[in-house]
Amino acid sequence: SQQGEEDPQALSIQEGENATMNCSYKTSINNLQWYRQNSGRGLVHLILIRSNEREKHSGRLRVTLDTSKKSSSLLITASRAADTASYFCATDPDTGRRALTFGSGTRLQVQP
Amino acid sequence: EPEVTQTPSHQVTQMGQEVILRCVPISNHLYFYWYRQILGQKVEFLVSFYNNEISEKSEIFDDQFSVERPDGSNFTLKIRSTKLEDSAMYFCASSPRGGAGETQYFGPGTRLLVL
Repeated sequence: SQQGEEDPQALSIQEGENATMNCSYKTSINNLQWYRQNSGRGLVHLILIRSNEREKHSGRLRVTLDTSKKSSSLLITASRAADTASYFCATDPDTGRRALTFGSGTRLQVQP
Repeated sequence: EPEVTQTPSHQVTQMGQEVILRCVPISNHLYFYWYRQILGQKVEFLVSFYNNEISEKSEIFDDQFSVERPDGSNFTLKIRSTKLEDSAMYFCASSPRGGAGETQYFGPGTRLLVL
């Protein structure tokens, strides 16, 4: 898979359920960021986890990072219909470059 | 809360025409970026800009593209002679100092359609 690949590609759940999205990457990173994009709209930054962190929380969001497996997960607890969006991971490679590499995203549909 | 703004929100142009996409980064940020997202595809890095010069650029950012900070607030992306394949959503982003591990804050995007 390419740098910053998410799975699943699409996820449909009921309101109140938890949603888990995964991201895998290939190179060493400084940090990994998760963004949300409502259909055809801009990218909203959700959370950043640094390479020396293993878990981070922000409200209903929980992000984990396993640098040995080069993977991250985003958990949205108690999902709401308003959480319906595409979610992208983006990696900041440990190369001195600042260009983020985005994955293909997970399209989350939360049914009311 | 400060945010990145972009204008216009939508732009339709004819192939071969020049377009200028405008961005106002967050006011105390020093690093600026352009990314693009072709419909249904990944967000791709185009260019980063710091201290009035290009810091890095991708293979996509060829001679048809240029960036400029014409004044203390605006940051522009110019496409000299648009092609059909330039149709995409273009995102501007900024970060405070461009250091490793900084969040990049994205604007709402300009949807460019080349006919």
